[in-house]
Amino acid sequence: GEDVEQSLFLSVREGDSSVINCTYTDSSSTYLYWYKQEPGAGLQLLTYIFSNMDMKQDQRLTVLLNKKDKHLSLRIADTQTGDSAIYFCAERGYSSASKIIFGSGTRLSIRP
Amino acid sequence: AAGVIQSPRHLIKEKRETATLKCYPIPRHDTVYWYQQGPGQDPQFLISFYEKMQSDKGSIPDRFSAQQFSDYHSELNMSSLELGDSALYFCASNSRDPRRNEQFFGPGTRLTVL
Repeated sequence: GEDVEQSLFLSVREGDSSVINCTYTDSSSTYLYWYKQEPGAGLQLLTYIFSNMDMKQDQRLTVLLNKKDKHLSLRIADTQTGDSAIYFCAERGYSSASKIIFGSGTRLSIRP
Repeated sequence: AAGVIQSPRHLIKEKRETATLKCYPIPRHDTVYWYQQGPGQDPQFLISFYEKMQSDKGSIPDRFSAQQFSDYHSELNMSSLELGDSALYFCASNSRDPRRNEQFFGPGTRLTVL
């Protein structure tokens, strides 16, 4: 069945780059997303990538997709204290009506 | 830009009571999804609607029902509430337009069952 896995925690020093990794199992996944959730808040869509792309860059965010290994990563350059949050990797099938399957989330903490 | 609106934002109920959560999708979005996020958990899909018809069903208990109305807003009805129903309930919407692939989430309704 569909499954999305992430490591639970990541701690980085302020100013360094953060890399959050994710693996998924559904080879029919067409859209792969990264959502950010701050404590007690909703889900903010950060970025997404089509499965036929290898990379997408958006300001400080870089998404890399290795479709062969079903591996997705989110790199945050120059990590700031405001980046502290839980980051969810998620995947969705081809149909725009498809539900989103979320990973367990990676809690990113920033050290001064 | 308009976002997904959910009401109420917070709700406190007692066991065995009923609750109704409302969702107003982004204008011109025709598909609505409901997700449940328990404490420390990832969001789990409950149910979705397209053009007022149920389009997919996930792990939604039989005690819950939902519908989408002609103005595309949706309501999630929860009966015989249990302590384990305490969670953050998200609504999301998107357009069927294949050029628009984002699924936008509302701020959520935090339901606490005492």
